[in-house]
Amino acid sequence: GENVEQHPSTLSVQEGDSAVIKCTYSDSASNYFPWYKQELGKRPQLIIDIRSNVGEKKDQRIAVTLNKTAKHFSLHITETQPEDSAVYFCAAPGDAGKSTFGDGTTLTVKP
Amino acid sequence: EADIYQTPRYLVIGTGKKITLECSQTMGHDKMYWYQQDPGMELHLIHYSYGVNSTEKGDLSSESTVSRIRTEHFPLTLESARPSHTSQYLCASSDLKAFGGEAFFGQGTRLTVV
Repeated sequence: GENVEQHPSTLSVQEGDSAVIKCTYSDSASNYFPWYKQELGKRPQLIIDIRSNVGEKKDQRIAVTLNKTAKHFSLHITETQPEDSAVYFCAAPGDAGKSTFGDGTTLTVKP
Repeated sequence: EADIYQTPRYLVIGTGKKITLECSQTMGHDKMYWYQQDPGMELHLIHYSYGVNSTEKGDLSSESTVSRIRTEHFPLTLESARPSHTSQYLCASSDLKAFGGEAFFGQGTRLTVV
């Protein structure tokens, strides 16, 4: 089945700096790669996703890049703000579309 | 409004009791999932379903069972609650696709077993 590794597990940045979180996956047939944000006490929600027919997707301050050859994808957040502080999860579809989540990255943006 | 609903939001129960956590979605999704999550920690897949009468065990053995008699309803039952079951339980759903599809999560049920 699919195996997803996410790094780092914790990330602390100054407000205004950039943050990058990386995930690697094992199933070369995977073709959908979402990122979820979970604020404290709330449910995970999709913030951006990418399909394997593109290498990069951007939405304002967040972007996701995909390297299918190396089987990794990354979340990039630019000009970080305190409200970006949350736990971020990547995911990749596993057997028959059963999503496998990374272990999460706790991002802290210091004002 | 289309959403995914979980009840109860909070539950405190004694050891050995049988409990059922409810999950319903009004988005018409075929796939549904149950995850266990300690605050800020990993999402552990407990059970999932591809549709009516389909149920599969996930990676985490939690001594629980699920049923899927109706598309919109996916309850999780703990036959005998233990303190180790204390956690947050998240239900989720997504469109039935061969691969991929955004997962929509419920608000969660925070369970405490005393």
